Amino acid sequence: QSALTQPPSASGSPGQSVTISCTGTRNDIGNSDFVSWYQKHPDKAPRLVIYEISERPSGVPDRFSGSKSGNTASLTVSGLQAEDEADYYCSSHAGNKNLVFGTGTKVTVL
Amino acid sequence: EVQLVQSGEEVKKAGESLKISCKVSGYPFNTYGIAWVRQMPGKGLEWMGIVYPGDSDIRYSPSFQGQVIISDDKSLDTAYLQWTSLKASDTAMYYCARHHYNRGLEFWGQGTLVTVSS
Repeated sequence: QSALTQPPSASGSPGQSVTISCTGTRNDIGNSDFVSWYQKHPDKAPRLVIYEISERPSGVPDRFSGSKSGNTASLTVSGLQAEDEADYYCSSHAGNKNLVFGTGTKVTVL
Repeated sequence: EVQLVQSGEEVKKAGESLKISCKVSGYPFNTYGIAWVRQMPGKGLEWMGIVYPGDSDIRYSPSFQGQVIISDDKSLDTAYLQWTSLKASDTAMYYCARHHYNRGLEFWGQGTLVTVSS
């Protein structure tokens, strides 16, 4: 069960959009509707921002959106704000009641 | 209010044993799985495994099978992560999180920092 592949970094200016990809295989993302995304600030616990590919938990701004095509999921943060600067991790069901995380992407707000 | 409260920071020596805990409140303990996630210094999140208190099912990531023991105590609404012989490479922050099958890891503990010296 290998980690899902994410770009190490992404950046954008305030107000712009940034999209992060998350590539897996047909054994995880390609075969699952249960892809989630987590935001992780330094010294804080991760926070769920997207579940079931594109659903937002209550309290998460609608600037966060998700999608999936084939074996690749994506997270888009629109209207970037300073507080969006964080690490972002995707996750997918991977069979046998296990999950797998992505390698993580550091988003920088320029 | 759903809360997951983890035990405090640990400083141990290589070869020692350790059991850290995650006490939940605000919902029936049996209804959701409790997952454990590792973050080594400067590294990403890693799925370690999960316990489903409802049926006592425990699953491990292949990377952690045989390296740790996950358990729970339903009488205490608490999940555990245990090592029988720590290594320096076990130095990391460990998080527990409530797992909803559809919604993923929607509630998290505050993390337990484990430091193992050689």
